[in-house]
Amino acid sequence: QLQLQESGPGLVKPSETLSLTCSVSGGSVSSSSYYWGWIRQPPGKGLEWIGSIYYSGSTYYNPSLKSRVTMSVDTSKNQFSLKLSSVTAADTAVYYCATQSYVQYQLPYYFDYWGQGTLVTVSS
Amino acid sequence: DIVMTQSPDSLAVSLGERATIKCKSSQSVLYSSDNKNYLAWYQQKPGQPPNLLIYWASTRKSGVPDRFSGSGSGTDFTLTISSLQAEDVAVYYCQQYYSAPPYTFGQGTKLEIK
Repeated sequence: QLQLQESGPGLVKPSETLSLTCSVSGGSVSSSSYYWGWIRQPPGKGLEWIGSIYYSGSTYYNPSLKSRVTMSVDTSKNQFSLKLSSVTAADTAVYYCATQSYVQYQLPYYFDYWGQGTLVTVSS
Repeated sequence: DIVMTQSPDSLAVSLGERATIKCKSSQSVLYSSDNKNYLAWYQQKPGQPPNLLIYWASTRKSGVPDRFSGSGSGTDFTLTISSLQAEDVAVYYCQQYYSAPPYTFGQGTKLEIK
């Protein structure tokens, strides 16, 4: 069974770049069956999709964040990553990585497997 | 963007009773070419990540108890827990994958024991 684990700094200063990595075990980021997604949840609030990436590098980003988001895949390390630039306090959230089921020539579907999440606080 | 609206925002149900959560999408998520509703339900217990319960509006993920069921089509969907157990206390979210970006979630429904 796929397992995902987020890692990265828990505290980021305003205007800096948030960087997180998701390590995948029990499967391969090169799988043709999944996109690899990031979702965040501000404390006490709901879920917001950030973006998703395929092993080929194809991406979908949330238009509300697109100008600040960069995602990448490292097949040699079986990891994928998120960078969010110019952060503010509004970016304080638990960040989850997740798999997104995919069938060729379709949009990715639902989020099957989730990491435990990592809290990132934006504060000086 | 497709807006997902859940009702109610919170719900208290007695153990063993039925719990019903609604989800309404701002446009149809029924894809005519395959007659599938592109709608999923998730359960999030305190301190845990969301857990996929149901996809294609009514298909239970393997391992999900059969007291959980999903129904509906087009723009109106329902998650039903037939006999509430203590371990079902959680926040429940619906999500559409018909149109993206962006993928969108409902605001969540908090389910508690009465």
